[in-house]
Formats: sequence, C-alpha cells, structure tokens
Amino acid sequence: AQRVTQPEKLLSVFKGAPVELKCNYSYSGSPELFWYVQYSRQRLQLLLRHISRESIKGFTADLNKGETSFHLKKPFAQEEDSAMYYCALSGHAGNMLTFGGGTRLMVKP
Amino acid sequence: NAGVTQTPKFRVLKTGQSMTLLCAQDMNHEYMYWYRQDPGMGLRLIHYSVGEGTTAKGEVPDGYNVSRLKKQNFLLGLESAAPSQTSVYFCASTGLAVAYEQYFGPGTRLTVT
Repeated sequence: AQRVTQPEKLLSVFKGAPVELKCNYSYSGSPELFWYVQYSRQRLQLLLRHISRESIKGFTADLNKGETSFHLKKPFAQEEDSAMYYCALSGHAGNMLTFGGGTRLMVKP
Repeated sequence: NAGVTQTPKFRVLKTGQSMTLLCAQDMNHEYMYWYRQDPGMGLRLIHYSVGEGTTAKGEVPDGYNVSRLKKQNFLLGLESAAPSQTSVYFCASTGLAVAYEQYFGPGTRLTVT
C-alpha cells in the first residue's frame, strides 16, 4: 500500500527565515511525487512535481529515494507563502493521488 | 473556461437524507475524481472515473455512489447521509494533455446533523 506522511500539521516561521516542509512516502515502485498548495479562499493547485525539477515561487523539492522523502524547501519565506501544503504521490493506474495529511505554513511578519 | 465547477457550495442534511453533488469540467479531461477533506487527514479518494461510463472505488467508497454518464460530469451521491460524512468534498479532473496535473473544484461543504 502507498502512504504519504507529513509529520508537521503546523509550521510557523518568520518572514525571511528558511522553511522546510517534510514529506515521507512509502511505495514499492517508482513513484511520482507532487506538492499541492491551497491558499486561503482559493482552490487546491499544483505547486510542483518532482520530474520537472523546477523552482516555483522560490520553492524546490528533491526526491530522495534512499530516504523516501520529498521535502519542500524555500530559503527565504514570504508572508504570501502562508497556506496549506499537501504532498501527494501517484503510482496507480487512473493517475490517482494519495495525499498526506497536510501542513499549514504560517509566515509571520 | 470555467475549469472545474461544483454544485452546491454548501449543504446541511439530516441523518438519513439523500443528496447528489454535481461536478462539471469543461477541459475535456478523461479522468475525474471525488475526494473528501478532513482535518489532519488530508484528501482521501472516494471514487474516480477514467472515462465516460466507467467508475471505480477509491480509498473510502462506503456510503457513496457515483455516475459518469457524460464525459464532462461526475456525480457523487449519498443515499442515506450519516454524521461521519460531514466533510468538505472536492472534485478534480485531469488528462493526458495536461500531463496528469489534477485540477480541483472549489469544494462543497457538507454538514450532516
């Protein structure tokens, strides 16, 4: 069975501080990992996926197969980064996603 | 281009009542999904569809039924609502043309008393 774990329900940092949102997964095959974000009063939307290896809004995430992790990082947090972040894994037919429990990021001024 | 829309936005039901949630997408996506979102549990897949006329069970299908009679619509039904079904329900869709990025609707907040 596949599982995604986000150990922190809430992460609070000050503006300008580095931020790391943790994500660990379990999956027997080759997973595809994603980070989705939900800003206040907005829809859940894709932030980034591991295969694209992009930096979106200053965020990056590296897939570490040895540690089965896909942590989301940003060197300098901004207030507008405050949102709910979900790590997700796709490994099934039908392109289904398995989501972690989510981490609420609060960036204080 | 409205993307993914959901009807209704809010609903309060009494235990035992039934209702249908409607999801519509105008992006010609092949795949559609229904999730429920509960605090601390993330989003859990209820049912999904890989094409018109086909549906399949997800992680938490009990108490729900779905139908996809038209490619653009995906209906979620609750035959006999229970308080445990109080949640926020999200519909999503995706397709090969968008490299399987899932596009989400705005959500339906359902309360069962």
